[in-house]
Amino acid sequence: GQNIDQPTEMTATEGAIVQINCTYQTSGFNGLFWYQQHAGEAPTFLSYNVLDGLEEKGRFSSFLSRSKGYSYLLLKELQMKDSASYLCAVLDSNYQLIWGAGTKLIIKP
Amino acid sequence: GAVVSQHPSWVICKSGTSVKIECRSLDFQATTMFWYRQFPKQSLMLMATSNEGSKATYEQGVEKDKFLINHASLTLSTLTVTSAHPEDSSFYICSARGLAGGDTGELFFGEGSRLTVL
Repeated sequence: GQNIDQPTEMTATEGAIVQINCTYQTSGFNGLFWYQQHAGEAPTFLSYNVLDGLEEKGRFSSFLSRSKGYSYLLLKELQMKDSASYLCAVLDSNYQLIWGAGTKLIIKP
Repeated sequence: GAVVSQHPSWVICKSGTSVKIECRSLDFQATTMFWYRQFPKQSLMLMATSNEGSKATYEQGVEKDKFLINHASLTLSTLTVTSAHPEDSSFYICSARGLAGGDTGELFFGEGSRLTVL
C-alpha cells in the first residue's frame, strides 16, 4: 500500500529552527509537496520537489532524497504565525496526490 | 498564484436537505478538479476527481449518489451533498489543476466550505 509518515506534533521556540520529516512509500513518484494549513483554513502551497536536493525559499527550505523516500521541511527564524499543520503529499504514478496526516507545529514564545 | 474561489464558506442546514458547494477557478482553466473532505484533527481525504466534461471518479467508500459532482465547464465544479445528515458535517475543500499548474501538478485550493448538518 501507499504510505506517508510524518510526526504528529512538534514544538519549537520563536526564532529557532525546526525540521519536519516525511518518509513515503508510494507506487511511483512524480514529486513531493509541502503545504501549510492553519486551523479552519484550506492548505496553502509551500514547495514542490521532484529532484534530489535542497530547495530554498525564504525562511522555508525543502529537501528530497528519492532513493531514501525521504523529505524534510526546514523552517528558520520561526514566528508565531508559523504555528500550523504542515502536510507532506506525494504525487504518485497516476498523478494522484497521496497525503500525509500532517504535523501540527506549535510555536512557543 | 492562481485563484480558486469556493462558495459558500459556511453553511448550516437541516437533516435531509441538499447542499451545493461551488468551486471556481478565477484566472485559469481547470482541466481537473479534486474534492476533499477533512474531519477535525484528520488529514485531507480525497473524495473524487472530476475532469471537465466527463463523469467524476470517486474514491472507494464515497457514495456517488450522495455526493454529486458536476464539472460542466473549465472554470466551475460543483459538489452537491444530497439528503445531508449530521455525519456529513465536515470541512469540504476543492482544488484545481490546470494550465496554471504547469507540469508541476501544483494544486490550487479553494477556501473551503464548512458544512454543519443539524
